[in-house]
Amino acid sequence: AQRVTQPEKLLSVFKGAPVELKCNYSYSGSPELFWYVQYSRQRLQLLLRHISRESIKGFTADLNKGETSFHLKKPFAQEEDSAMYYCALTPVGNEKLTFGTGTRLTIIP
Amino acid sequence: DTGVSQNPRHKITKRGQNVTFRCDPISEHNRLYWYRQTLGQGPEFLTYFQNEAQLEKSRLLSDRFSAERPKGSFSTLEIQRTEQGDSAMYLCASRDKTGAHYGYTFGSGTRLTVV
Repeated sequence: AQRVTQPEKLLSVFKGAPVELKCNYSYSGSPELFWYVQYSRQRLQLLLRHISRESIKGFTADLNKGETSFHLKKPFAQEEDSAMYYCALTPVGNEKLTFGTGTRLTIIP
Repeated sequence: DTGVSQNPRHKITKRGQNVTFRCDPISEHNRLYWYRQTLGQGPEFLTYFQNEAQLEKSRLLSDRFSAERPKGSFSTLEIQRTEQGDSAMYLCASRDKTGAHYGYTFGSGTRLTVV
């Protein structure tokens, strides 16, 4: 069975400072990993996928299979980044996503 | 709005009553998912449809829960004899059939409160 761990429930960062939201996973096979974001009063939406290796809204995430991590990073935080962030995993070819418990990011002006 | 639509947005019911929620996915998406989210937790998988076929159900989906997608379009999730522990946000999501997992499109959810 797979598991996703987000160790920080709350994270506060000053505007302009770097942001790192931690995500660790346990799964013995090949996973696909995602970050989802939920802004205030909006629905949960996909932020980025590890297979695309893209940068969205300045955020990047690198899959580290050795450390089984998929941390989300942004070099300079902006106020509009304040939101709830969820890391999620699915085995390759599987339909079911396993989510972490989420990290609430607050950017301090 | 061409996204995933869920109705109702909120539902308050007395313990023991039955409730039904509806989800209308994005029209070209053949895969539809139900998740449940309780306070302080991430979404937890309940069940999944490919077209009208229900292909997977979680152990979280007790025999009081039933989901249908009769024509491969909208889906309903029914909870019979509701209990206070059923209070949660029920999320629906859909995605299309392309091979790579491009992630889900979620609805806004139905918040159920059992009193």
